[in-house]
Amino acid sequence: SQQGEEDPQALSIQEGENATMNCSYKTSINNLQWYRQNSGRGLVHLILIRSNEREKHSGRLRVTLDTSKKSSSLLITASRAADTASYFCATGKGGSEKLVFGKGTKLTVNP
Amino acid sequence: SQTIHQWPATLVQPVGSPLSLECTVEGTSNPNLYWYRQAAGRGLQLLFYSVGIGQISSEVPQNLSASRPQDRQFILSSKKLLLSDSGFYLCASPTSGGGAGELFFGEGSRLTVL
Repeated sequence: SQQGEEDPQALSIQEGENATMNCSYKTSINNLQWYRQNSGRGLVHLILIRSNEREKHSGRLRVTLDTSKKSSSLLITASRAADTASYFCATGKGGSEKLVFGKGTKLTVNP
Repeated sequence: SQTIHQWPATLVQPVGSPLSLECTVEGTSNPNLYWYRQAAGRGLQLLFYSVGIGQISSEVPQNLSASRPQDRQFILSSKKLLLSDSGFYLCASPTSGGGAGELFFGEGSRLTVL
């Protein structure tokens, strides 16, 4: 079964708005990662947050992690049409590099 | 810099035909390699991982097999394709200098079985 589950499955917003995607997982983790996938392309690593961290920033990205609720969120601020892509969260099995991915959130940013 | 070459990029094959997808990695000293499949609406599923030449672990029972003939080469194969083998196949390796399990992906091979 999938470890990470993203919510919502699809999100459509206007350029300039913020986009928030959520991820829930089931077992203990060492870290949680977010990836981006443009249509028909490979995945690109965006950001990693460790289990002892609560929030992390990278440019327009903000990731939070709540280990008590086994959930994470990815916030993209001031979205651009180029942010249109699918976003996946991924967790490691017991800290190994074998990542388990969710089904992703498909984000559409309308110009 | 780290690169992953996958070929072919797209492939249309009839049911029952064989399959060979190749992945070649450059620019990393980490020996681990992974094959993921992305089927429509199902996210990414880990199929195989390898920690070195000739060392393959399968994550799910299936119609596919993998081989690691060279350190930087990872091959996904099938003797007889099924319709359910259609999907987007992604090869990945740990990000060079990452250290925490981040993965670097190739551009994928899209397989359609008719």
